[in-house]
Order: sequence, then C-alpha cells, then structure tokens
Amino acid sequence: DAGVIQSPRHEVTEMGQEVTLRCKPISGHDYLFWYRQTMMRGLELLIYFNNNVPIDDSGMPEDRFSAKMPNASFSTLKIQPSEPRDSAVYFCASTYRGAGGYTFGSGTRLTVV
Amino acid sequence: AQSVTQPDIHITVSEGASLELRCNYSYGATPYLFWYVQSPGQGLQLLLKYFSGDTLVQGIKGFEAEFKRSQSSFNLRKPSVHWSDAAEYFCAVGPATGGGNKLTFGTGTQLKVEL
Repeated sequence: DAGVIQSPRHEVTEMGQEVTLRCKPISGHDYLFWYRQTMMRGLELLIYFNNNVPIDDSGMPEDRFSAKMPNASFSTLKIQPSEPRDSAVYFCASTYRGAGGYTFGSGTRLTVV
Repeated sequence: AQSVTQPDIHITVSEGASLELRCNYSYGATPYLFWYVQSPGQGLQLLLKYFSGDTLVQGIKGFEAEFKRSQSSFNLRKPSVHWSDAAEYFCAVGPATGGGNKLTFGTGTQLKVEL
C-alpha cells in the first residue's frame, strides 16, 4: 500500500484565495482525520470522519474551513477565503477502527501571503 | 478530558548515550498510548503502542516504552542513540473503547544528537 497520500506537498497562495487540500487514505481504513500543525499550537485535530461521515468538527477554527469525504478513498479540506494565519502544515491520517494507531500522510505545507 | 504532557521541549544527547523521553497522561479510563516520531518535512510515524498486557512494549528502531499506571506515565527509552534518531517525538493518548476515536497528542520533544 502506498500509505496516506496528500496533495499538494506545498501550496503558496495569496490571502483571500481559496485553497483545497486533498487526501487519499489507506484502502480499507474507515477513519480519516485532518490535523493542523504549527509551532505555536502544535498538532490540532480539525475534523474526523468515520465511514465518510463527519463525526467531530469541533476543531475547525471557523466557517472559512470546510471538509468533505465524498467516498472512502478521498477527502478534501477547503479554506475559503484563506488568511496568513492559516499558514501551517496540514496532515491527513487514517486508521481502521483505531487498531494500531494512525497512519499519517506527509502533509501539505500551506503558506498564505 | 484527556491530556498529554511532555515536559521536555528539547533534549540533547550524545550519540551512543541512552535516552529517555517523558510522557505523562491524564485519562479517565484505560487508555491506548502511542509514541510517534516526526523527521523534518515528514509526517508522523508510529514507533510503538500500548493497548494492554505487558507494560513494557517494544517498537521499531530499537525503541521501547514502559506503561506505569500508578504514575500515569509512558516514557520512551532507547539504550544507545544514533545520529539518525534526531527528530521530534510525540506521545499520544486515546480511548481504549470506541476504536478510531481521536487521539490527543503532546506538544512534542525535539531530540538533538551530538556526534
């Protein structure tokens, strides 16, 4: 298995633009998590899905953030409009029923200028 | 609410020396405990996990961790550190039931290895 695949690896965008981050979980995994990592706040859970259904989105910072999982093999995290304070590394992770812990993707480094 | 404390932000050890990274957790029930490692520019990689049974667990890359319920600790150890172990290490706790529920991560410990 190729692991959790995230794209793009790096994204630089101007303030006010829409940004879409993509994630392909490991086949067969039924949980998918989106995390954000910054120096100031560490790893923050934004939202997670179980069987494509959002379970907990309490970590989504504000309405500018949205996430979808239209099928078991694809999820997106969208920021519209983007702001400089959204600059961070965004990780996607997946797991099967939590057994064995999460498998993380390599992350998307987002820079909003 | 569950929480994880990693009291050491930075640790520096010499190559070949032993290593212990501290992790304390707060959790109201039986926890699942994890250690992850993150190399620069990479995602987090699972080093080891504790679910139940033997309180000393072995992981990849020669790491081990010991679960001590009385101290609410899950410290990571390695008898002899290699330069390639320089990275950031995260401890995490999650519920033992309802598998797949969200993990809570500590703030990480940055390990520097001196040659």
